[in-house]
Amino acid sequence: SQTIHQWPATLVQPVGSPLSLECTVEGTSNPNLYWYRQAAGRGLQLLFYSVGIGQISSEVPQNLSASRPQDRQFILSSKKLLLSDSGFYLCAWSVTALDSPLHFGNGTRLTVT
Amino acid sequence: GQSLEQPSEVTAVEGAIVQINCTYQTSGFYGLSWYQQHDGGAPTFLSYNALDGLEETGRFSSFLSRSDSYGYLLLQELQMKDSASYFCAVRDRDYKLSFGAGTTVTVRA
Repeated sequence: SQTIHQWPATLVQPVGSPLSLECTVEGTSNPNLYWYRQAAGRGLQLLFYSVGIGQISSEVPQNLSASRPQDRQFILSSKKLLLSDSGFYLCAWSVTALDSPLHFGNGTRLTVT
Repeated sequence: GQSLEQPSEVTAVEGAIVQINCTYQTSGFYGLSWYQQHDGGAPTFLSYNALDGLEETGRFSSFLSRSDSYGYLLLQELQMKDSASYFCAVRDRDYKLSFGAGTTVTVRA
C-alpha cells in the first residue's frame, strides 16, 4: 500500500531563517506531488505541484521554492522566512489520472516568530 | 484560473441532513471533488463527480451539474463525528487541484 511521510510535524523558526520541509511517498511510482499551505481557519492554497522529476509548477510567487530530486521526494524550501510564512503545510500525492484523489500527509505546522 | 464558492459554516443537530453547495469557475474542468478535514488533521478524500448526477457513498452523497457549474455534498443522518470542515475542489487538465475556502460543519447534540 502507498504511504506518505512528511516531517517535521511542528516547527518554530525565527524570521529570516531558512526552511526545508521534506515529503516522501512509498509504494507508488511517478506520482504527482503537491505542496499546499493552509492559514488558520482558511482553505488550502496550492503552492507547487510536480508531475515528474525536475518538473515544478509554481502557483504563488513567494519566497518559497520546491524541488523534486527523486521520483518520490518533494522538498519545500525558503532561504529567509517571513512572518507571513506561518501556516499548516501539507504535502500530497496522486497517481497520474485526472480522476485520482489526493492523499495528504499529516502536515507541518510552521510558526515563524 | 479557478475560483470556487461555498458557504463558510453550517450548524445542524444530530440526525439532520446538511447540504453544502459549491459553485465554481474554471478554465478547464475535470471533475468536482469533496474532502473532509477534522480540526488539526489532514484532508481526506470523500467523493468525486466527473459527470452530471448524484453519487452516493453511505451517508454522504455528492451531486454535479456541469451546465450550472454547481455541485453539492449531502450529509445525511448527521453524527457528532461529522463535525469538520468540508472542501470542494476542481481539477484542470494540468492536474492542478484548486480548493474552495471550506465549509465548517458543526453538529450539535
